[in-house]
Amino acid sequence: QVQLQESGPGLVKPSETLSLTCTVSGGSISSHYWNWIRQPAGKGLEWIGRVYSSGGTNYNPSLKSRVTMSVDTSKNQLSLKLTSVTAADTAVYYCARRYSDGSGYYYDAFDIWGQGTMVTVSS
Amino acid sequence: EIVLTQSPATLSLSPGERATLSCRASQSVNTYLAWYQQKRGQAPRLLIYDASNRATGIPARFSGSGSGTDFTLTISSLEPEDFAVYYCQQRFSWPTFGPGTKVDI
Repeated sequence: QVQLQESGPGLVKPSETLSLTCTVSGGSISSHYWNWIRQPAGKGLEWIGRVYSSGGTNYNPSLKSRVTMSVDTSKNQLSLKLTSVTAADTAVYYCARRYSDGSGYYYDAFDIWGQGTMVTVSS
Repeated sequence: EIVLTQSPATLSLSPGERATLSCRASQSVNTYLAWYQQKRGQAPRLLIYDASNRATGIPARFSGSGSGTDFTLTISSLEPEDFAVYYCQQRFSWPTFGPGTKVDI
């Protein structure tokens, strides 16, 4: 059973770079799209972007200038970097897998999620 | 950007009752719409994909319908564990989520 686990600093200073890692266990990172999604406390969900196992990326246009995602297949990990953070970036950050039925077709939904990691931006 | 609107914001019901949640898109998303359930302190859980397909392990009391701009999630008979927040999500251009509907007692 595939499981995802986010990790990284819980506190980041304004203007600095937020860096998170998501470790995939119980399955391979290959041939999947991996997404980052965030949720400010008490608010809704915002898609940050996705990275394919081969390294291709797509980002939310509103965050594109500050986001970098990558994948390390040898470690079964994906990473997120968000630069120049402000208090508005304070949120729970989730990694999530794009749903695939195993035949090579990818649906536009997220079937497996990590438990999330809280990141606070504050000095 | 495609904006999703969910109604009502809060739905107050009792166990055993039927819940009908609405999601409306600012432009057509065909049937590329998913529904999620989120309980406090937990990650969202995929319920429905492609508007009407139940995800693996989702009970039959959950059903989705709609196409284009108007979608509905129906819970036929609420169980105690169904009281949660429900989000819809589309994928045209890039994925966006609705603001959520809270189903409470």
